[in-house]
Amino acid sequence: EIVLTQSPATLSLSPGERATLSCRASESISSYLAWYQQKPGQAPRLLIYDASNRATGIPARFSGSGSGTDFTLTINSLEPEDFAVYYCQQRNSWPLTFGGGTKVEIK
Amino acid sequence: DVQVLESGGGLVQPGGSLRLSCAASGFTFSSYAMNWVRQTPGKGLEWVSGIFSSGGDTHYADSVQGRFTISRDNSKNTLYLQMNSLRVEDTAVYYCAKARRSGSSSPFDSWGQGTLVTVSS
Repeated sequence: EIVLTQSPATLSLSPGERATLSCRASESISSYLAWYQQKPGQAPRLLIYDASNRATGIPARFSGSGSGTDFTLTINSLEPEDFAVYYCQQRNSWPLTFGGGTKVEIK
Repeated sequence: DVQVLESGGGLVQPGGSLRLSCAASGFTFSSYAMNWVRQTPGKGLEWVSGIFSSGGDTHYADSVQGRFTISRDNSKNTLYLQMNSLRVEDTAVYYCAKARRSGSSSPFDSWGQGTLVTVSS
């Protein structure tokens, strides 16, 4: 199974700052990577699919990049509602797998 | 609006069985793959199982293979997860998740609010 390693585990930032989250795959997954946001008590929400495509309704401050084994989610100018946990997920091969998550917290 | 609503969770003893349901509305259910994803309280996400739009192709996580069965009734717009031989480690919130396309490996663009399954004696 493909293992996804997210870093850092926690990111402490202030509103208005840029967040850079990393996801590394144990083997190449082409561009088959998605990013999700989850807030406490809520279900996850799809942000980015196939590495760089924003899902419907997702603000332009969220962007994704990467291919192969290294991927990045960037959040430009953090808004108060962006403080949450972010997960990456690969769909290159079965079983589908998620990373362990990065918590973006208010500094 | 797209909606998926899980039901059927509860408390069950180890070795017992439970069937989860997911009622879908607001989209053409038969055109999209569906999945189950679980989350242990306070922990991360684990994909459990997926089924293609037609129901003809299914996939499972190794941790549930042979114990869980995913199915769908496109005439009722409902997804199911039959869980047998439940273990304490199956305790989690189970989410129903709609895929973006007909293939079940597609990213999950709509999620339910989840149903809690607790396996304990």
